Amino acid sequence: TQLLEQSPQFLSIQEGENLTVYCNSSSVFSSLQWYRQEPGEGPVLLVTVVTGGEVKKLKRLTFQFGDARKDSSLHITAAQPGDTGLYLCAGRAYSGAGSYQLTFGKGTKLSVIP
Amino acid sequence: DAGVTQSPTHLIKTRGQHVTLRCSPISGHKSVSWYQQVLGQGPQFIFQYYEKEERGRGNFPDRFSARQFPNYSSELNVNALLLGDSALYLCASSLDWVGMEQFFGPGTRLTVL
Repeated sequence: TQLLEQSPQFLSIQEGENLTVYCNSSSVFSSLQWYRQEPGEGPVLLVTVVTGGEVKKLKRLTFQFGDARKDSSLHITAAQPGDTGLYLCAGRAYSGAGSYQLTFGKGTKLSVIP
Repeated sequence: DAGVTQSPTHLIKTRGQHVTLRCSPISGHKSVSWYQQVLGQGPQFIFQYYEKEERGRGNFPDRFSARQFPNYSSELNVNALLLGDSALYLCASSLDWVGMEQFFGPGTRLTVL
């Protein structure tokens, strides 16, 4: 069974601060995705990282995939109240029989206080 | 363009009953996946269907079943409901079975009393 450990589980910071969320596993994934979920809604894909060591930037968000493709991080610079939400990492792996499966972490609940 | 739609939005059932949840994928998407998200947890994979065939199954008991119709919509059925089945059930659609980019619906909130 593949597991993804996310940390921290909860994060409450002031507007303008920086933060980093971590996603770790003992398993290798073909790619790793980060989602953001608002209350009452489904997760929305933010980014997919595929290559070990890959770094992707999305405005104030920076995503990194570990060299061994087992871990990832999400860094937010100068957090804003609009960044508040549940951030989920998910590893994609081929499960055989023509199927890729997503394994999600438990999520990091971020609150940015104005 | 309409996104992934799910019905009903909320549902309350009692233990032992069965439930059917419905999902309509984005137009042109041929694959549908189902996930269960218990409060405080990330989504957990239940099924993937592509072209009306089951392509993947997560670690769920046989009480859970699903099917996909010729128009690519899908149903998730859960029999003999348990209290622990209370969760948000999410449907996600993707263009093909690889599912590199999945688009999630808003989910159905199931409460089992």
